[in-house]
Amino acid sequence: ETGVTQTPRHLVMGMTNKKSLKCEQHLGHNAMYWYKQSAKKPLELMFVYSLEERVENNSVPSRFSPECPNSSHLFLHLHTLQPEDSALYLCASSHSPGQGAVGYTFGSGTRLTVV
Amino acid sequence: TQLLEQSPQFLSIQEGENLTVYCNSSSVFSSLQWYRQEPGEGPVLLVTVVTGGEVKKLKRLTFQFGDARKDSSLHITAAQPGDTGLYLCAGADKIIFGKGTRLHILP
Repeated sequence: ETGVTQTPRHLVMGMTNKKSLKCEQHLGHNAMYWYKQSAKKPLELMFVYSLEERVENNSVPSRFSPECPNSSHLFLHLHTLQPEDSALYLCASSHSPGQGAVGYTFGSGTRLTVV
Repeated sequence: TQLLEQSPQFLSIQEGENLTVYCNSSSVFSSLQWYRQEPGEGPVLLVTVVTGGEVKKLKRLTFQFGDARKDSSLHITAAQPGDTGLYLCAGADKIIFGKGTRLHILP
């Protein structure tokens, strides 16, 4: 139990589908993140939310749409994805974006395959 | 742009051997973190180093932060199969990660 729970663990979707990834944390953290992990690439930061407000968006295509309804929940809505979007999507949380030295707690990830 | 270079990319050694992996940058970081990621799981924080020259020990793992706070190393003594995984370093200032060292310990 890492404190950050992601669902589903695995997802296969067609390019015309719409799906959502869910992340939940009950650590009392104020910041939540979406990362993309592809083979042979560093972890890529996609979005940062602090107290439910998006504070960073790293030039992510609009087919990825984040939502943070409260400080404990984070979603990533997916639509019209491409095969190259297949990757492990990781959610993380921390006390605040400015306190990275405290460390991030990651979920187990959603393995996404786009067919 | 801050970058973290990790070496080696892959390392496969026999159980009981010692090893060192490295994390280097041309930029100064206020702190660096090391994570271990096992297959099918997210990264788990091992340690944060904050002070230049700092050495931290976690059982058989020894972490060192360079004096100039641009690099860090992880030394494992008497490696065990349970040490197998992807070791990632991360700069805390801008939330960036290296590509990692994939370590495989052979029984």
